[in-house]
Parts: sequence; structure tokens; C-alpha cells
Amino acid sequence: GEDVEQSLFLSVREGDSSVINCTYTDSSSTYLYWYKQEPGAGLQLLTYIFSNMDMKQDQRLTVLLNKKDKHLSLRIADTQTGDSAIYFCAESRLEYGNKLVFGAGTILRVKS
Amino acid sequence: KAGVTQTPRYLIKTRGQQVTLSCSPISGHRSVSWYQQTPGQGLQFLFEYFSETQRNKGNFPGRFSGRQFSNSRSEMNVSTLELGDSALYLCASSLLSVQTGLGVGYTFGSGTRLTVV
Repeated sequence: GEDVEQSLFLSVREGDSSVINCTYTDSSSTYLYWYKQEPGAGLQLLTYIFSNMDMKQDQRLTVLLNKKDKHLSLRIADTQTGDSAIYFCAESRLEYGNKLVFGAGTILRVKS
Repeated sequence: KAGVTQTPRYLIKTRGQQVTLSCSPISGHRSVSWYQQTPGQGLQFLFEYFSETQRNKGNFPGRFSGRQFSNSRSEMNVSTLELGDSALYLCASSLLSVQTGLGVGYTFGSGTRLTVV
């Protein structure tokens, strides 16, 4: 199937770390993406990882990939109120043709 | 480097009309894809173009169509608009991986918000 699943809501305090989780379908050739969407805006590409990698770090963002469990996570260190948004996980697989399959999105609320 | 540009940002149309949305990709990106975002269905793939050819199409009726020009700019058209077509339409452009043939680094525009009344 094409399902990409995410938890719907996460609430954290400012300064804490946030971890947003995603499960995806199995593939030998997959790119996995994280996008951020603020109200009324388009999708902002945060980072992506190829399935032959376990981890990718970019400033406050860390992506972890567990291929065995088909689990992807996005960790945001030192979460700020400006990080409040909806975060989408997406998968790209050759078997899908050249398209992204998105999860339903995780609403991140940061409390000051 | 300019990002993906979508025009117009907002549109209000009446049922039965048709609409054309435009997307200019990042310079050098030859793959352009379109997505529909609604509260009920989330983000759904419409179609993907590469070198003026539609390579992949999502599960949408034939009222939804698109094209790509030689400069990689793309348009999508929706004919005979229905209330349910009200949505945010997002365009993304990407490079293609030589290794996998997959799009890499899909970058989205700000979208066109279409309201059908």
C-alpha cells in the first residue's frame, strides 16, 4: 500500500526537544522528506534522507531512519514558538512513479 | 536563486467555470508536479511533468489536466468546476537523481488557493 502514517498532534514547551514520528512503506529505493507548513502557506522543505542512510543532521534538525521498523523521525532541538506548524512526512518511491506520498501531518504546538 | 512561483495566489470561481493555474519551477529543475491539499483528503498527487511529457497521473477525473512548456513552466487546468474542487493547489519542482530516476529535493511553491462558489 501507499500509506504513510504520522501521529496527529504534539505539544512541547519552548526550549525542549520535539520528536515527530512517521512510518512508511517498505522499499529498496526511497527518499523520505520532512516538510513544514505554516498557516496559509505552502510547504517548506526542511530536509530529506535517502534510505541507505541512518541519520542526517542539519543545525537544529536531526532525522533518524530505522529501515527495519520502517520508522522515520524528525527531532527539533531547542524548539521555539516559531516552530509551531504542521509537519508532513513524505515518501518517494520508484514504484509510485515520480511522486510524493504524504502523511496526514503532525500539528506541533510550542508553549512558551 | 528564485524559488517555485505560483500564480495567482488566490482565486474565486463559480461552479461550472474553468480555471488555469501557473507554476514556474526553480531554474534548472525540469520535473514539475502538482498536488491538491484539502482538509478532508490531505495532500493528493495530481500529475507530474518532465520535458513537456506527463509521466505520472493521480486518481483525479479528466476535468483536471495540465501541460508543461519547453522552459519547464507548467500550467494546470480544471474545467467545469465543482464545489469540491475548492482547495490549495501546490506545485513542486525537483531535480532527478541519475542513480534512481527519482525526483530529489522537491521544492514547493506557496500555492494557489482556489475557492469555488
